[in-house]
Amino acid sequence: GENVEQHPSTLSVQEGDSAVIKCTYSDSASNYFPWYKQELGKRPQLIIDIRSNVGEKKDQRIAVTLNKTAKHFSLHITETQPEDSAVYFCAASYSGNTPLVFGKGTRLSVIA
Amino acid sequence: NAGVTQTPKFRILKIGQSMTLQCTQDMNHNYMYWYRQDPGMGLKLIYYSVGAGITDKGEVPNGYNVSRSTTEDFPLRLELAAPSQTSVYFCASRTSAPGETQYFGPGTRLLVL
Repeated sequence: GENVEQHPSTLSVQEGDSAVIKCTYSDSASNYFPWYKQELGKRPQLIIDIRSNVGEKKDQRIAVTLNKTAKHFSLHITETQPEDSAVYFCAASYSGNTPLVFGKGTRLSVIA
Repeated sequence: NAGVTQTPKFRILKIGQSMTLQCTQDMNHNYMYWYRQDPGMGLKLIYYSVGAGITDKGEVPNGYNVSRSTTEDFPLRLELAAPSQTSVYFCASRTSAPGETQYFGPGTRLLVL
């Protein structure tokens, strides 16, 4: 089955700097890759996703890139703000018909 | 739409007790999921369902049971609660269309003492 590895487990950046979180997946059939943000004590919420027919997707300060050949995808947050502090999870699935397989999460701290 | 709702928000159980965690969604989603999240850890899939009457095991099903008699409801049953089941439980749902967003409920915090 699918296995998703996520790095780093913790990340501290200065406010205004960029943050990058990387994930690798094992099943080449996977074609849907969402990223979730979970604030302390809250539910995970989708922030951006990418499908395998696209190499990059942007939404304001957030971008995701996908390298199908290397089987890895990354989350990029630019101009980080204190409210970006949270745990971020990557996930992968095949056509969404199989359950999402989540990475173990990255705790991002943005220091003002 | 209320989205995905879960009850209760918090519960304390004694070892050996049983309880049902309720999950309801009003988005007419076919797919529903139960996850547990231990403190500081990731999400582990317990059970999932692709439609009424259909359920399947996830990564950590032992000690739990589910049923799906309607599209809206997906209750999770804990039999003989153990301290290892202390966790936050999230229910989630999405449509059956490929690559559609999965929405999470607010979670139920369970403490087994």
